[in-house]
Amino acid sequence: DADVTQTPRNRITKTGKRIMLECSQTKGHDRMYWYRQDPGLGLRLIYYSFDVKDINKGEISDGYSVSRQAQAKFSLSLESAIPNQTALYFCATRDREFTEAFFGQGTRLTVV
Amino acid sequence: GENVEQHPSTLSVQEGDSAVIKCTYSDSASNYFPWYKQELGKGPQLIIDIRSNVGEKKDQRIAVTLNKTAKHFSLHITETQPEDSAVYFCAASISGTYKYIFGTGTRLKVLA
Repeated sequence: DADVTQTPRNRITKTGKRIMLECSQTKGHDRMYWYRQDPGLGLRLIYYSFDVKDINKGEISDGYSVSRQAQAKFSLSLESAIPNQTALYFCATRDREFTEAFFGQGTRLTVV
Repeated sequence: GENVEQHPSTLSVQEGDSAVIKCTYSDSASNYFPWYKQELGKGPQLIIDIRSNVGEKKDQRIAVTLNKTAKHFSLHITETQPEDSAVYFCAASISGTYKYIFGTGTRLKVLA
């Protein structure tokens, strides 16, 4: 089983719909992250969390919200999806700073 | 804001040749520089990292060099193989935060 699991792997949704992307990890790490990947733009940080009571905005948090339901679970929501949120989304975990980040396999989201 | 520039965006080499990917960062206090490899349909995976108190690090066919004065670091892959074909991302820590800035990625193709 993968250390970091994202569901769904692919999703097509309509403009204006609410959608949730889920992430769970078995690494036992406190730090969890959501990134967005667009062609030519690399990975950009949306939100990050260091424990269930700690949520922080990243570079591009507008239009997104997150929930840290447990140490192992971190979900990303788009309250009202728009076409420019079409992208590949990655969840990641890290044990502590300046160490390896472990990424999920990604969720490809298309907003039509 | 802080920035990481990565070049080239695409790179094709013959099997057995060397490949070099370069990144330049803007935060002079950055102190951690990881490199990630992303294969098709998968999340990024750490291949090597370096801290600011070290100038070079090697792991078999992969090496990273860091020039703090010039604020640039490079990934070197020797004796390239077809399985090295992937997208490679550099990243740099942002001082005073728990964030990392990623480069825009390099698509490496190793031609058999």
